[in-house]
Amino acid sequence: AQKVTQAQTEISVVEKEDVTLDCVYETRDTTYYLFWYKQPPSGELVFLIRRNSFDEQNEISGRYSWNFQKSTSSFNFTITASQVVDSAVYFCALSEKVINTGTASKLTFGTGTRLQVTL
Amino acid sequence: DTGVSQNPRHKITKRGQNVTFRCDPISEHNRLYWYRQTLGQGPEFLTYFQNEAQLEKSRLLSDRFSAERPKGSFSTLEIQRTEQGDSAMYLCASSLGRGGFEQFFGPGTRLTVL
Repeated sequence: AQKVTQAQTEISVVEKEDVTLDCVYETRDTTYYLFWYKQPPSGELVFLIRRNSFDEQNEISGRYSWNFQKSTSSFNFTITASQVVDSAVYFCALSEKVINTGTASKLTFGTGTRLQVTL
Repeated sequence: DTGVSQNPRHKITKRGQNVTFRCDPISEHNRLYWYRQTLGQGPEFLTYFQNEAQLEKSRLLSDRFSAERPKGSFSTLEIQRTEQGDSAMYLCASSLGRGGFEQFFGPGTRLTVL
C-alpha cells in the first residue's frame, strides 16, 4: 500500500525566511510519481510540481525548489524568501504508474502542512 | 483556457436526503477523478473514469455513492440517504489520458449534512 507522511502539521515563519516542508513516502512500486499541491484559503488545489521516480534531479522554479532523494524516500519542498502569499496548506502526493498506459493513476495524499507566513 | 468546474459549490441537506454533484473537466482531458476531503486531512480517492468507463472505485465508496460519466465529458456523483459523516468537500480533478500525469482540480463542492 502507498503512504505519504507529512510530519509537520503547521509551520509559522516570518516573511523572507526560508522554509522546508518535509515529505516521506512509501511504495512497493519501482515506477511512481510524486507531486506537490498548494491549497490556499480559497480551497482550490493548485498543482506545483511532478517528479518521476527515475529522475532524481532536483528542480528549482523561482523561489521554489524540490529535493528528491530516493535513498531516503523523501521529496522535500523549500520556499526561499517566503512571502505572505505563500500562506496555504501544502500537500505531497504519490501516484503509481498504470500498467500499459504510461500514465499516473489515483493520488495518495499526505495530511498536509499548513504554512503561515507573517510580516 | 477553462479549468475544472464543479456545481454546486455548497450544498446543505438534511440527513436522509439524496444529493447530486456535477463536475465538468478540462475539455481535452479524458480522465476524471473524484476525491473527498474532510477538515484537516488530505483528499482521499473515491473513483475515476477513463472516458465513460469507471475504472476504479475506492472502498470508501459505499453502496450509497454512485458516479457516472455517461458521454465521457461531465460526471455526476450522487449520494443517497445522506448521513452526517458524508459532510466533506468533494473534489473533482481531470487529467490527460495517455501521457497525462498531472491532475487539475476544481474548486470543490462543500456538503453539509444536518
